[in-house]
Amino acid sequence: ETGVTQTPRHLVMGMTNKKSLKCEQHLGHNAMYWYKQSAKKPLELMFVYNFKEQTENNSVPSRFSPECPNSSHLFLHLHTLQPEDSALYLCASSQPPGHPMTDTQYFGPGTRLTVL
Amino acid sequence: GESVGLHLPTLSVQEGDNSIINCAYSNSASDYFIWYKQESGKGPQFIIDIRSNMDKRQGQRVTVLLNKTVKHLSLQIAATQPGDSAVYFCAENAQGNKLTFGGGTRVLVKP
Repeated sequence: ETGVTQTPRHLVMGMTNKKSLKCEQHLGHNAMYWYKQSAKKPLELMFVYNFKEQTENNSVPSRFSPECPNSSHLFLHLHTLQPEDSALYLCASSQPPGHPMTDTQYFGPGTRLTVL
Repeated sequence: GESVGLHLPTLSVQEGDNSIINCAYSNSASDYFIWYKQESGKGPQFIIDIRSNMDKRQGQRVTVLLNKTVKHLSLQIAATQPGDSAVYFCAENAQGNKLTFGGGTRVLVKP
């Protein structure tokens, strides 16, 4: 798990709070991803970044705002969340499209988010 | 209303026996498939992958089989150990670097 790290590991927040999740990858990759894993649904892709540019937004509500300042770091800014947003938020990284290993994604340990 | 969790199929296997986990995928254009293992409190961990030009690939104690005719993928674990207890996910890739994940199978290893 040291290849992709996420902080914090656990987060409890109220619906009016603003918080940020952080992801860092040490694998030299240029693609990064946010996923949501809840008890009700299979793993859901939220956002994709290739070379710091967002290339996929999977109809995610605007209360989730991603930021990718460089190829090694990815943030997910949270504001005005709902209790149903409680889930495990996973970050992953891979080589970008065009690279022969683009398909293989490596995951971090996740942030367990609880919205009260 | 009451929340209903995602029901995961569960495979109970005796320690030392072989395990077979199955996955049906949906997109006939998918050309890459991958298996992940997720232990409690951790993120998914890469196990093994296979491309559509192959029908079998072996790793250490694991084998992945691909049947494109019926769009079926399986993961075989030889001599299952207590540390193999986890949820196993298959994923397919048909476009760029976007993976589509299955719902997962829980494996419980009985000592």
